[in-house]
Amino acid sequence: DQQVKQNSPSLSVQEGRISILNCDYTNSMFDYFLWYKKYPAEGPTFLISISSIKDKNEDGRFTVFLNKSAKHLSLHIVPSQPGDSAVYFCAARDTYSGAGSYQLTFGKGTKLSVIP
Amino acid sequence: IAGITQAPTSQILAAGRRMTLRCTQDMRHNAMYWYRQDLGLGLRLIHYSNTAGTTGKGEVPDGYSVSRANTDDFPLTLASAVPSQTSVYFCASSDRVGDTQYFGPGTRLTVL
Repeated sequence: DQQVKQNSPSLSVQEGRISILNCDYTNSMFDYFLWYKKYPAEGPTFLISISSIKDKNEDGRFTVFLNKSAKHLSLHIVPSQPGDSAVYFCAARDTYSGAGSYQLTFGKGTKLSVIP
Repeated sequence: IAGITQAPTSQILAAGRRMTLRCTQDMRHNAMYWYRQDLGLGLRLIHYSNTAGTTGKGEVPDGYSVSRANTDDFPLTLASAVPSQTSVYFCASSDRVGDTQYFGPGTRLTVL
C-alpha cells in the first residue's frame, strides 16, 4: 500500500522552462510535506516543505503547492537550470500518535533532466 | 561542521557475514534514522531512534538491528547478510522527531 506516490519516474525539461513534479498521497493524517533533491552518489538534501495549513510555499525558484482536497502536491521549478537535474523525492509526515509517529514516508522519486 | 558521516563509503560482503554500518552526527540532533534506497522503491525506513537510548522499527526492519548508546552515533548491524540486502543505505537525523531530516552521503553495500 503506497501512501505517497510519484507516478512519473522521469521528466525532461528544456533549460529556462518550468519543471512541474507531482506527488499524490492517500493518508489523510499527513500534516507536513517535504521535497528532497538527490544527486548521484550523494545523500538526499532538503529542498522545500509545506504545512497542511498552507496551500503554497515559495523559496526562490522553487514553489510547492498543496491541494488537500485532492491529496496532491506539486513542486514547480522556474526557470529550470541544468544543475537542477537530479532525482526529486516527495515525503510526507504522519501525525499518527503512537509508536513510529511523525515518521516520513517517501515516494519513489522522479528523475528530472534539464536539457541545456 | 561535518553534519552526518557514514562509513564505509562502500563495501562488498559475502553472504552470511556480519556487517556494521556506522553513522555519526555532530549536530546534537535527538532523532536518527536508517533508510535503504533501492531502484524503483525509493527510500524505505529500516529503524529509527527518537532519542538516545530508544529505538523503533520502521517499514523494513527484518535482518537489521540498531543501537543508540549516545546522541551522536547510530550504528546499523546486519547479523548475517543476504543478497537482498544489497542496497544503498542512508543515515539521517533531525533535531526532534518530525522535524526536517538531514541525510548522510550513504553507504553502498553489495552482498554476494
